[in-house]
Amino acid sequence: GENVEQHPSTLSVQEGDSAVIKCTYSDSASNYFPWYKQELGKRPQLIIDIRSNVGEKKDQRIAVTLNKTAKHFSLHITETQPEDSAVYFCAASRGYSGGYNKLIFGAGTRLAVHP
Amino acid sequence: GAGVSQSPRYKVAKRGQDVALRCDPISGHVSLFWYQQALGQGPEFLTYFQNEAQLDKSGLPSDRFFAERPEGSVSTLKIQRTQKEDSAVYLCASSLGQGDQPQHFGDGTRLSIL
Repeated sequence: GENVEQHPSTLSVQEGDSAVIKCTYSDSASNYFPWYKQELGKRPQLIIDIRSNVGEKKDQRIAVTLNKTAKHFSLHITETQPEDSAVYFCAASRGYSGGYNKLIFGAGTRLAVHP
Repeated sequence: GAGVSQSPRYKVAKRGQDVALRCDPISGHVSLFWYQQALGQGPEFLTYFQNEAQLDKSGLPSDRFFAERPEGSVSTLKIQRTQKEDSAVYLCASSLGQGDQPQHFGDGTRLSIL
């Protein structure tokens, strides 16, 4: 089955610096890759997603890149702010008969942004 | 409602008791997923409903876990004869349609088995 590896497990940056989180996946049929932000005790919130027909997507300070050949994708946060501090999860999914995608998550990256 | 709603937020039960966790998805969402999140880990898939049909239950850990969505809206996850290893946060997510539609999560139910 699908396996998603996420690195690093913890990341500490100074406010204003960039942060990069990397994920690799094993199932070459995976075609949808969302990223979620989870604050302590809160729900995972979708912050950006990318589908396999594009290599990069950007939304303000957040960008995601996808390399299908190497089976890895990355989250880039620029100009980090203290409110970016949270746990970030990557996920990969593929389509199943019946027309659904189930998400396989990485173990998470705890990001701390220091003022 | 505006988002996915789960109840209760916290549940404490003694080992061996049965528990029921409720999920109210976003109105009109066809797809509903249950995930289990252990402390310090990413969510793990449990089961999937498309309307009232349970199309995938491959992630349910044992036959003590049972889920239903009888009218294609509200879903209930039931755990019978709870064990300590069942302690986790149980997350529900819904999406508008089928396929690679974004999944929107609820706040989860934190289950503690004593």
